[in-house]
Amino acid sequence: SQTIHQWPATLVQPVGSPLSLECTVEGTSNPNLYWYRQAAGRGLQLLFYSVGIGQISSEVPQNLSASRPQDRQFILSSKKLLLSDSGFYLCAWNLQGYEQYFGPGTRLTVT
Amino acid sequence: AQKITQTQPGMFVQEKEAVTLDCTYDTSDQSYGLFWYKQPSSGEMIFLIYQGSYDEQNATEGRYSLNFQKARKSANLVISASQLGDSAMYFCAMRETAGFQKLVFGTGTRLLVSP
Repeated sequence: SQTIHQWPATLVQPVGSPLSLECTVEGTSNPNLYWYRQAAGRGLQLLFYSVGIGQISSEVPQNLSASRPQDRQFILSSKKLLLSDSGFYLCAWNLQGYEQYFGPGTRLTVT
Repeated sequence: AQKITQTQPGMFVQEKEAVTLDCTYDTSDQSYGLFWYKQPSSGEMIFLIYQGSYDEQNATEGRYSLNFQKARKSANLVISASQLGDSAMYFCAMRETAGFQKLVFGTGTRLLVSP
């Protein structure tokens, strides 16, 4: 069966520090991968998606970036965090045409 | 552009009763899919049910059913025989089947099930 992992589970970082969140999927090949952000009490906002290694599309211009160095690995990064980057970050995967499955999420607090 | 509207910020229901969570959508496409996800306090998004725009019958998955009214552009989630574990946020989402199939989410409804 397929599983999706995210780490870390929680993170507290000062403004201006770098960020690296990792997501890995097991049990499938060539999945579509997604990064979402959820602000407190809000819905999900799609940040990035990827249909293959090295193929990244950005939905929202911001100081975040994403990379997909391996088929089942998706990384969300920032060189300098802003207060507004605080939120709950969810990684998801699916196969084309099917429902998306989400990871457990990373709760990021920028102080 | 796609849009999902969930007008109920919070709903309350007693255990064992049925509850309907509202969702309306807006799209100019003929082919699309509608989803419901559950988000408990742990934060994980759990897929519940899917309805395709061309499906003639309402989708059902155990205690979950989707009341799909295409002409009214509504896709309400019905939970029968509510349980305490159903207390969570519920999100409606839509995906157009043309092009890249990204999901657009509503703002969610918080359901509280009381004993």
